[in-house]
Amino acid sequence: KAGVTQTPRYLIKTRGQQVTLSCSPISGHRSVSWYQQTPGQGLQFLFEYFSETQRNKGNFPGRFSGRQFSNSRSEMNVSTLELGDSALYLCASGPLDAQYFGPGTRLLVL
Amino acid sequence: DAKTTQPPSMDCAEGRAANLPCNHSTISGNEYVYWYRQIHSQGPQYIIHGLKNNETNEMASLIITEDRKSSTLILPHATLRDTAVYYCIVRVEKSGSGNTGKLIFGQGTTLQVKP
Repeated sequence: KAGVTQTPRYLIKTRGQQVTLSCSPISGHRSVSWYQQTPGQGLQFLFEYFSETQRNKGNFPGRFSGRQFSNSRSEMNVSTLELGDSALYLCASGPLDAQYFGPGTRLLVL
Repeated sequence: DAKTTQPPSMDCAEGRAANLPCNHSTISGNEYVYWYRQIHSQGPQYIIHGLKNNETNEMASLIITEDRKSSTLILPHATLRDTAVYYCIVRVEKSGSGNTGKLIFGQGTTLQVKP
């Protein structure tokens, strides 16, 4: 069974731009969660989608948004990028007892 | 979800058992203990979870004290590839689709396996 895939793997943007990251969950998984990882703050929960509905949201500004499609694939969008948004963005999918993480998208904002 | 406390770092000799402790003194009766690990530059990897009984799988064993206020993850024969940050997380489990994918990660324990 294929694992969680994330695209792109690496991305460089400049301040003020927006970015869209994509996550394809493991086949059959309906829950997709997004996390941001930075050296200073560690792993922080962004939001979770289940059956196309946002079920949980972390403590991030409204510039961070996401959505989930009927095939469970998910995208997250960050608008008006700031330098502090440079991070590894991780997506996880699951049955509901364990989460399986993708390799992440490393975003650098210049 | 209850807070967990882990030592920031530990060393272990290759081939020996690695015992990683976690304190969760405020754990509630319906909270499970989960362990994940993150090898450098990769996404976290699920290892094991349990409620109150000891659990074992192909990766590790989880020992939970009788009062459930602490637990230990045991890697029976550590290899260099087990060098990683290990996260202990407690989380409420709900039945059916009521459970969520939200995990609250702390700083974890950096395990260094040495030859």
